[in-house]
Amino acid sequence: DQQVKQNSPSLSVQEGRISILNCDYTNSMFDYFLWYKKYPAEGPTFLISISSIKDKNEDGRFTVFLNKSAKHLSLHIVPSQPGDSAVYFCAANSGYALNFGKGTSLLVTP
Amino acid sequence: SQTIHQWPATLVQPVGSPLSLECTVEGTSNPNLYWYRQAAGRGLQLLFYSVGIGQISSEVPQNLSASRPQDRQFILSSKKLLLSDSGFYLCAWSRRPGLNSPLHFGNGTRLTVT
Repeated sequence: DQQVKQNSPSLSVQEGRISILNCDYTNSMFDYFLWYKKYPAEGPTFLISISSIKDKNEDGRFTVFLNKSAKHLSLHIVPSQPGDSAVYFCAANSGYALNFGKGTSLLVTP
Repeated sequence: SQTIHQWPATLVQPVGSPLSLECTVEGTSNPNLYWYRQAAGRGLQLLFYSVGIGQISSEVPQNLSASRPQDRQFILSSKKLLLSDSGFYLCAWSRRPGLNSPLHFGNGTRLTVT
């Protein structure tokens, strides 16, 4: 049972524009959410997180928004750069471990 | 700084053969340790996690097992591999108590069972 869902398997954005990656979850007990970036043949790299007591967290070009009532979070990348091309995973805390979505492949074109 | 080492990077094994993947963490004590698997076209699936030496929790029943013989060492094993065991295996660590703490991943092992 997939408790964290990323319904868009891929996204293409032009360099300099905003990339918006979306994630939905079903378990209202989740209280900590994270985004990871993954290049092929490498492990995921932690990008940014947000606690359920907040609705926004910003780190440089990356901003995560949390809408608890809708059980939805999103990652905004502004401005997008070609080096941002990777698979992005959304994750939510479940006890000691994380539940991951299936990922969204982002392609930033010049 | 903390580092996580995972090896081998790639592995090709025949069906029915044993498996041993090793992971070690440096620069931290008493970490939580995890094994995840990414199958083709799928997300990251938690296989095992450990909050201490000899303490293993299994999330998915399968023919794999995990052991933690030392504080910063985590091993994934199988006595007999199946074709369905092919995938990308990732070891990760987090600080204790582990709640609201990011996981940090190794570079993974690409396992192909033939």
